[in-house]
Amino acid sequence: EPEVTQTPSHQVTQMGQEVILRCVPISNHLYFYWYRQILGQKVEFLVSFYNNEISEKSEIFDDQFSVERPDGSNFTLKIRSTKLEDSAMYFCASRYRVVEAFFGQGTRLTVV
Amino acid sequence: GQSLEQPSEVTAVEGAIVQINCTYQTSGFYGLSWYQQHDGGAPTFLSYNALDGLEETGRFSSFLSRSDSYGYLLLQELQMKDSASYFCAVGQNFVFGPGTRLSVLP
Repeated sequence: EPEVTQTPSHQVTQMGQEVILRCVPISNHLYFYWYRQILGQKVEFLVSFYNNEISEKSEIFDDQFSVERPDGSNFTLKIRSTKLEDSAMYFCASRYRVVEAFFGQGTRLTVV
Repeated sequence: GQSLEQPSEVTAVEGAIVQINCTYQTSGFYGLSWYQQHDGGAPTFLSYNALDGLEETGRFSSFLSRSDSYGYLLLQELQMKDSASYFCAVGQNFVFGPGTRLSVLP
């Protein structure tokens, strides 16, 4: 069964460093998303991406964040200068139809 | 924008039926979705309602009333493995509610 894959599963970084989280969405999907989940809290929408551009972003997705689809398969989230409060689980998701989003297993980002 | 409300916790015993409610406010309605998330896992899709009424998928059913901006997820014949967090979500970007933590007791 097709699945969304994310790498790495866990990333530890020092405050102020840049990190890139990687995702391979399901191949025929058209819409791509990033979410984050701080431990014990809800899943928060960050950004949606369609037709090679951002279609919507939340208030969380400030200038420190950027997304790219550098080739036909990868979808990345970059955090330019990490802060302690960026520590969270980051989920990538993709969908083809409006009904269902498929989530990857997440990247746990720890900023120290 | 969107906002959703759910109870924070629900507890039930194996074999029972439990209902998890969700009320929402959204500009532009694209349906109400439900996702399950086990501790340490990814959200997985359970059910979706675009129109009023009940959708049934095995032990899980979901209901929507657009006029009331309200929906619920109904879980029947509860099993221990159903212990998880359940999120309702609205919008094309699947904005999630705060989640309801379901504990199923033996």
